[in-house]
Amino acid sequence: EVHLVESGGDLVKPGGSLRLSCAASGFTFAIAWMSWARQAPGQGLEWVGRIKSNIDGAIRDYAAPVKGRFTISRDDSKNTLYLQMSSLKTEDTAVYYCIKLGVGGVPNEWGQGTLVTVSS
Amino acid sequence: DIVMTQSPDSLAVSLGERATINCKSSQSVLYSSNNKNYLAWYQQKPGQPPKLLIYWTSTRESGVPDRFSGSGSGTDFTLTISSLQAEDVAVYYCQQYYDTPHTFGQGTKLEIK
Repeated sequence: EVHLVESGGDLVKPGGSLRLSCAASGFTFAIAWMSWARQAPGQGLEWVGRIKSNIDGAIRDYAAPVKGRFTISRDDSKNTLYLQMSSLKTEDTAVYYCIKLGVGGVPNEWGQGTLVTVSS
Repeated sequence: DIVMTQSPDSLAVSLGERATINCKSSQSVLYSSNNKNYLAWYQQKPGQPPKLLIYWTSTRESGVPDRFSGSGSGTDFTLTISSLQAEDVAVYYCQQYYDTPHTFGQGTKLEIK
């Protein structure tokens, strides 16, 4: 059974940094493409970014609002996905979800999410 | 970016009746080489992560009741719940995974009339 467990969410001041982790199990993480999405309180879903497998070049794509501030990385030896967030803004306040992409890029597994609050 | 627009924003349907949610993309999400529409539907209940219901426009995820069905192609898609049950009260989202950014619709809130 696939498990994705996010951690690292916290209260951080505007301009600060934070790193989220997503511990993965139940599948071959090394060949999986992974994504992050977020959901601000009471709002809809927003795609944050994607990282391909190292075999496929570990290519990263980002949504415009986070490009240049957020970095997605992976450690296949630890079966862990990361989201490094810097220059945080109040509008980055959200629950952040880790997502496994299946065959053809189907977003078929989601974690429970971790809350990031950016506030002074 | 591909813009996904759902309609309506909210919907109230009687138990046992049909519920229909529409999703329109600003450009086609049909990949011609495999004839697949890269379109998924999710159900989200309060305090829970989204749950994948349907992918490739019409393929039900394992364990999803067959009262949920998806249809459409190109830029116009529909999620249908054939006979609404109380447990179907939720917010429903469409998402295209044809091209990054993998954009979502704004969501449709489904309630019981």
